[in-house]
Amino acid sequence: AAGVIQSPRHLIKEKRETATLKCYPIPRHDTVYWYQQGPGQDPQFLISFYEKMQSDKGSIPDRFSAQQFSDYHSELNMSSLELGDSALYFCASSFAGAGANVLTFGAGSRLTVL
Amino acid sequence: EDQVTQSPEALRLQEGESSSLNCSYTVSGLRGLFWYRQDPGKGPEFLFTLYSAGEEKEKERLKATLTKKESFLHITAPKPEDSATYLCAVQEEYGNKLVFGAGTILRVKS
Repeated sequence: AAGVIQSPRHLIKEKRETATLKCYPIPRHDTVYWYQQGPGQDPQFLISFYEKMQSDKGSIPDRFSAQQFSDYHSELNMSSLELGDSALYFCASSFAGAGANVLTFGAGSRLTVL
Repeated sequence: EDQVTQSPEALRLQEGESSSLNCSYTVSGLRGLFWYRQDPGKGPEFLFTLYSAGEEKEKERLKATLTKKESFLHITAPKPEDSATYLCAVQEEYGNKLVFGAGTILRVKS
């Protein structure tokens, strides 16, 4: 079965540079979520999109922005990178049907800021 | 604000030694409580969703239960391949995002 695809898997940037992460959700899933997981930390919710509109916002820094495109893929743009942005970034997708929505996570993109 | 607390932080078991992980939660209207397994450097892998108090679900050596304030993940006769971080998360009644606990790191030694 198709899973959530994230790219790139690894990314190394310098401080103050910009990075873009991409996420391709499971086909027919209408909601995309972004999470940040620091070393030894639990995943922290950043932002989500439902049918290409922002649906919820968490602890996402102002330096970060995200959007969902017409083909449902999503991109997380990070500017003015700081050392503390080094983390695993997970994308997840779900189908917003009745009942609890099961989020399926991608393998993650590991960002290292030097 | 939703809160999820997991205990213990870490657990070491011998192969075959059964135990339980705890997840206590505070949420304004529970839509679902989720258990995920996460291996190092990988994305969380879905295990169970529990919807209401009294519900139980099983998968191989794992069994999840739910009360109004907490959930337990019981591991029966664990094997080394069960070693992972187990994450508990809640989903609010009127939202889709998951709020995670800090996880329990499980190590099973042969």
